[in-house]
Amino acid sequence: KAGVTQTPRYLIKTRGQQVTLSCSPISGHRSVSWYQQTPGQGLQFLFEYFSETQRNKGNFPGRFSGRQFSNSRSEMNVSTLELGDSALYLCASSGTGQGKSGANVLTFGAGSRLTVL
Amino acid sequence: TQLLEQSPQFLSIQEGENLTVYCNSSSVFSSLQWYRQEPGEGPVLLVTVVTGGEVKKLKRLTFQFGDARKDSSLHITAAQPGDTGLYLCAGVRAGGTSYGKLTFGQGTILTVHP
Repeated sequence: KAGVTQTPRYLIKTRGQQVTLSCSPISGHRSVSWYQQTPGQGLQFLFEYFSETQRNKGNFPGRFSGRQFSNSRSEMNVSTLELGDSALYLCASSGTGQGKSGANVLTFGAGSRLTVL
Repeated sequence: TQLLEQSPQFLSIQEGENLTVYCNSSSVFSSLQWYRQEPGEGPVLLVTVVTGGEVKKLKRLTFQFGDARKDSSLHITAAQPGDTGLYLCAGVRAGGTSYGKLTFGQGTILTVHP
C-alpha cells in the first residue's frame, strides 16, 4: 500500500510569489490534513478536507488555502509569500479524520520543504 | 504558551541509558499520541492512548496516559543509536469535533551516542 505522497519535496520561492503544494493520500483515505512545521512554532494545523469539503481550519491568514479533488488528492496554496512562510509543509491522511474516542490516526507524508528568499 | 508542554527539549545520552520524555497540559485530552520524526521525513505514529491511566508497551518503549488525561510520558529502556530522532506528543482536546486536527508539543530531540 503506497503511503502519502507529497510533491514537490523541495522548492525555493521569492517574497510575493505564490506556491501550490500537492498531496496524494493513502488509497481509500478520504480525509487530508495539512500542517506547517517550523523550528520555532513546531507543527501547527492548517486545515482538513473530507470529500472535497473543508471541515476544519487552523489559525492561519487567508493567504493559505486548500482544496480537495474527487479522488481525495489535495492541494494547498500560499499566495503573496513572506519570509516567515519558510517551513516544512506536511500532509496527513486518514480514513475519516475522526476515529473512535476522537483519536485522529494520521499518516504523514515526507513533506514539502519551502524556502522563501 | 503551548497547549502541550513537552520536556526536555533536548536529550543527549549514551547507548544503554534509560530516558523519559514528558508531555503535560492543563487541558483534558480525549487521546494522546506519540510520533517519531527523522530528518527529511514526516512524523511516524508510535502509539495512541485513549484511556486515563493506560500503559502501552512497544518493545523498549513504554507509554503512559495520566489518570486525568492531561499528561503522558514516554520511557525508553536501554536506548540505542537507532532511537535517535525527534519525539512528538500530540493530542485531541476533549469535547467538540476536531477533524484532522492534532495539537502538537514542541518535541524532544533525542540523540543516542554509541
